Amino acid sequence: SAVISQKPSRDICQRGTSLTIQCQVDSQVTMMFWYRQQPGQSLTLIATANQGSEATYESGFVIDKFPISRPNLTFSTLTVSNMSPEDSSIYLCSVESVDLREYFGAGTRLSVL
Amino acid sequence: GQSLEQPSEVTAVEGAIVQINCTYQTSGFYGLSWYQQHDGGAPTFLSYNALDGLEETGRFSSFLSRSDSYGYLLLQELQMKDSASYFCAAAREGSGNTPLVFGKGTRLSVIA
Repeated sequence: SAVISQKPSRDICQRGTSLTIQCQVDSQVTMMFWYRQQPGQSLTLIATANQGSEATYESGFVIDKFPISRPNLTFSTLTVSNMSPEDSSIYLCSVESVDLREYFGAGTRLSVL
Repeated sequence: GQSLEQPSEVTAVEGAIVQINCTYQTSGFYGLSWYQQHDGGAPTFLSYNALDGLEETGRFSSFLSRSDSYGYLLLQELQMKDSASYFCAAAREGSGNTPLVFGKGTRLSVIA
């Protein structure tokens, strides 16, 4: 398995501002993923972040709104830009570990006022 | 497209056995995973079936039938702490084992 540290764990932000979420893994991983989960809903993939290449975004998600960095094999950030109340959600990072399973960070609970 | 269907809610009595079913429609199938998520927590990996049959891990077992595009998670000797949401998940078409496509989740309530 992999140990994933995600921060901040929660934040309350004003509309129009941006928040950067960090995800740190205790081992080198090729593939990292960012998800969004609305309360009581399933997980929706935002993008796949591989080191050394641009992130690949899913339909409905764009780089200008959710820029992602992946500077090395243990770290990634997701920025939620120009936030609106509709961005209030839980944001989760995950990784594919050496056992080919997907493991998740604890999540960032974002509330936008 | 890909889809995984599972019941939205299940209620069971403490000490009993409960089965959560999952049917899927996806090509390039690699296997079926199960995750547990407590309120306010992160999804936690429970089990994975790549081949047909039953996988047992303590009180939890998972089953897969590729021919029926069907799997289930079996929880035995239910405890109150098992109250959580359970998601089945499968790899996406055209990708490797990850990232996963998740079902909508089954909320399990364990009652005394």
